[in-house]
Amino acid sequence: EAGVAQSPRYKIIEKRQSVAFWCNPISGHATLYWYQQILGQGPKLLIQFQNNGVVDDSQLPKDRFSAERLKGVDSTLKIQPAKLEDSAVYLCASSLGAGRYEQYFGPGTRLTVT
Amino acid sequence: AQRVTQPEKLLSVFKGAPVELKCNYSYSGSPELFWYVQYSRQRLQLLLRHISRESIKGFTADLNKGETSFHLKKPFAQEEDSAMYYCAQNSGNTGKLIFGQGTTLQVKP
Repeated sequence: EAGVAQSPRYKIIEKRQSVAFWCNPISGHATLYWYQQILGQGPKLLIQFQNNGVVDDSQLPKDRFSAERLKGVDSTLKIQPAKLEDSAVYLCASSLGAGRYEQYFGPGTRLTVT
Repeated sequence: AQRVTQPEKLLSVFKGAPVELKCNYSYSGSPELFWYVQYSRQRLQLLLRHISRESIKGFTADLNKGETSFHLKKPFAQEEDSAMYYCAQNSGNTGKLIFGQGTTLQVKP
């Protein structure tokens, strides 16, 4: 079974630029999560999708972050414009469904904003 | 706010010594608790969850509601246990995980 795929693996941008991350979940997984992990901290949920609908985006900074999962499969997370404090690893995870299903994580995208 | 606390950033032990990684949570309902592990150059993966009550790679964790704790234990540490360990809770029906800050376990030969 192929795991969660993410790209790019690394990205360096200057502040005020925009950036996009892509995630391809495990086939058949209805639920997709984006987490932000700042150095020295645990992952923090940014947004959760159930198929192509948003379940929770309470911690997504909506003035600069956006995410979509148009066909209920792949997802894109965008930051525009980026700030220095956005430097982090962005993790995508997927699960069969919401609730008590195991979450499977991708390798993450390491973003550095200079 | 719901919170998961791992008080130790780094735990260093010798091979064969017992290990206990501490985790405390703040949810007052019936949370579901997990331990996730990230080995060097690998992705974050589930180690164990309290509802399964099983031992994985020799690790066990017991949910103590009175102390709101979910400490991870192993009687004899191995060098291959060296990794970053995260405690997490699922406090609702959505699957949203709240993670602690993580503890680096270093097992010395």
